[in-house]
Amino acid sequence: NFMLTQPHSVSESPGKTVTISCTRSSGSIASNYVQWYQQRPGSAPTTVIYEDNQRPSGVPDRFSGSIDSSSNSASLTISGLKTEDEADYYCQSYDSSNHGVFGGGTKLTVL
Amino acid sequence: QVQLQESGPGLVKPSETLSLTCTVSGGSVSSGSYYWSWIRQPPGKGLEWIGYIYYSGSTNYNPSLKSRVTISVDTSKNQFSLKLSSVTAADTAVYYCARDYRKRLDYWGQGTLVTVSS
Repeated sequence: NFMLTQPHSVSESPGKTVTISCTRSSGSIASNYVQWYQQRPGSAPTTVIYEDNQRPSGVPDRFSGSIDSSSNSASLTISGLKTEDEADYYCQSYDSSNHGVFGGGTKLTVL
Repeated sequence: QVQLQESGPGLVKPSETLSLTCTVSGGSVSSGSYYWSWIRQPPGKGLEWIGYIYYSGSTNYNPSLKSRVTISVDTSKNQFSLKLSSVTAADTAVYYCARDYRKRLDYWGQGTLVTVSS
């Protein structure tokens, strides 16, 4: 099996752009789609990106996703940061046996 | 609008079996388009995938929990359930049920806290 490694925390100012990485420990990042979930305190997670770079309806286009095979990682980029974006973000994928794997989560602080 | 709601005891004794049910409204567990999943989150920690079930009864479990987990589905009640045996304090967590559509967990329940303590 593999692990997904995320930075524990990131911070940035309102209006700026932040990127959260998610590095796959073994196997190709491109072999299974990556999803990104936002979790605000006391709430269930919600999807902000699915299938590497697709946005669900209702998610602002300030949120974008990508994968980079050279670094074997996925990235979530949030531009035009707003205080409401402050939350925990989790990347998630599946292994070859369709077992779900979550990253450890990244706490985004908008200050 | 699809809604999922977890229910079950909030306190379970060590070595006993944790049992939770997820009731689905606004959609059907019998739909062949979805898998029905359980995820948990220990207090202050990250998310852990537990497993899923298909309407046919086919299941897939996290290898680290497989020996203790059973997920079942009751299409007549539009529910699916989780049983986790031989629990310890390490199983204390918020347990979420969710719908899996093409590897995307698109609808989640609000979560229910289960504490393992004597």
